Amino acid sequence: GAGVSQSPSNKVTEKGKDVELRCDPISGHTALYWYRQSLGQGLEFLIYFQGNSAPDKSGLPSDRFSAERTGGSVSTLTIQRTQQEDSAVYLCASSPSAGGINYGYTFGSGTRLTVV
Amino acid sequence: QKEVEQDPGPLSVPEGAIVSLNCTYSNSAFQYFMWYRQYSRKGPELLMYTYSSGNKEDGRFTAQVDKSSKYISLFIRDSQPSDSATYLCAMSAPSGYSTLTFGKGTMLLVSP
Repeated sequence: GAGVSQSPSNKVTEKGKDVELRCDPISGHTALYWYRQSLGQGLEFLIYFQGNSAPDKSGLPSDRFSAERTGGSVSTLTIQRTQQEDSAVYLCASSPSAGGINYGYTFGSGTRLTVV
Repeated sequence: QKEVEQDPGPLSVPEGAIVSLNCTYSNSAFQYFMWYRQYSRKGPELLMYTYSSGNKEDGRFTAQVDKSSKYISLFIRDSQPSDSATYLCAMSAPSGYSTLTFGKGTMLLVSP
């Protein structure tokens, strides 16, 4: 596609429910990143996928968070048993390759998650 | 000490002013430097990138890197209300880093 597409754009969920957030990267981009942006906290790295390599999960805040990337394209971030502190904007980004990050990522518009 | 420091602002200026946004960093391995602009309720968009030290100009925007001081700047000339946004700096190293390191962002408000 022309850009990074994320869905849904907004999600309100009850505490304790599971949520799935979807990211469709730019066609041909092999690297895909998930970040979380909370008010006043900046961008927090969550997970990184590069081609068929094992993902870098070092930023996931707890085992309630997981992500998959199927067929080297679409990615899904799953948050189980959501907590109020999970409320944030979840941003996905992609780049042409691992080395491509030196020229910046392309971000999607994000999913605004509110846990009530 | 955080790897990248950026004043969160807000920075309020009148229309037409010259704006200076800055970041400092601690890791001398960083060689690629980027500025992102983020409007409210939107994802960050890449504004400029530079490699190593020096200046790069694009229209009203100039990015400056001083590696000796570990200090980068973004200048906006003739600022417009449409420039009101949060500006994030980001940086990377040629090897050993698979993700960008971001500053927390500076909120800029340009009043008409």
